[in-house]
Amino acid sequence: DQQVKQNSPSLSVQEGRISILNCDYTNSMFDYFLWYKKYPAEGPTFLISISSIKDKNEDGRFTVFLNKSAKHLSLHIVPSQPGDSAVYFCAAGLGNKLVFGAGTILRVKS
Amino acid sequence: EAQVTQNPRYLITVTGKKLTVTCSQNMNHEYMSWYRQDPGLGLRQIYYSMNVEVTDKGDVPEGYKVSRKEKRNFPLILESPSPNQTSLYFCASSPRDSYEPQHFGDGTRLSIL
Repeated sequence: DQQVKQNSPSLSVQEGRISILNCDYTNSMFDYFLWYKKYPAEGPTFLISISSIKDKNEDGRFTVFLNKSAKHLSLHIVPSQPGDSAVYFCAAGLGNKLVFGAGTILRVKS
Repeated sequence: EAQVTQNPRYLITVTGKKLTVTCSQNMNHEYMSWYRQDPGLGLRQIYYSMNVEVTDKGDVPEGYKVSRKEKRNFPLILESPSPNQTSLYFCASSPRDSYEPQHFGDGTRLSIL
């Protein structure tokens, strides 16, 4: 039973437009959330995080929104660039354990 | 250069032959963790370590062992590998705990026949 779900296996977006990646979780005890980006043949790299006491965190082109009542978080990338094409994983943390979603492949077309 | 180094990067082996995947970090991080990545399942945590001699189970620890005798090293041991452990493995570290961004190695692809 997956506690963190990324229901869209892939997403295709035009360069310059907004990319929205979604993530749902089932355990209301998760107290922090992170997004990682992964290119082929490389390890994941950290993108942005948010604590459960916040509902928004912004870093440059990347913004994460957290809706605790809906147990939903989303990552917005504005504007999208071809270099953003990668697999994006959301992760939810409780204590020192992390649970990852299955990932969403983002393709940004130029 | 700050990095997490895993070895080997690729390994094909047979069922039952003990193997060790090494992981070393040069950032003096206290927290280290192992994950496996499988299609449709994302990354799943195998074991993690808060510091030297302190390890704990993640979500999928069965069939794996770890040790943390030195701060920089966190080897993953498969005592009797089986085909269902064929996967892509990642080691990661962070300064203190999993709340902080983790630095990942480039992965080890294991195939167990």
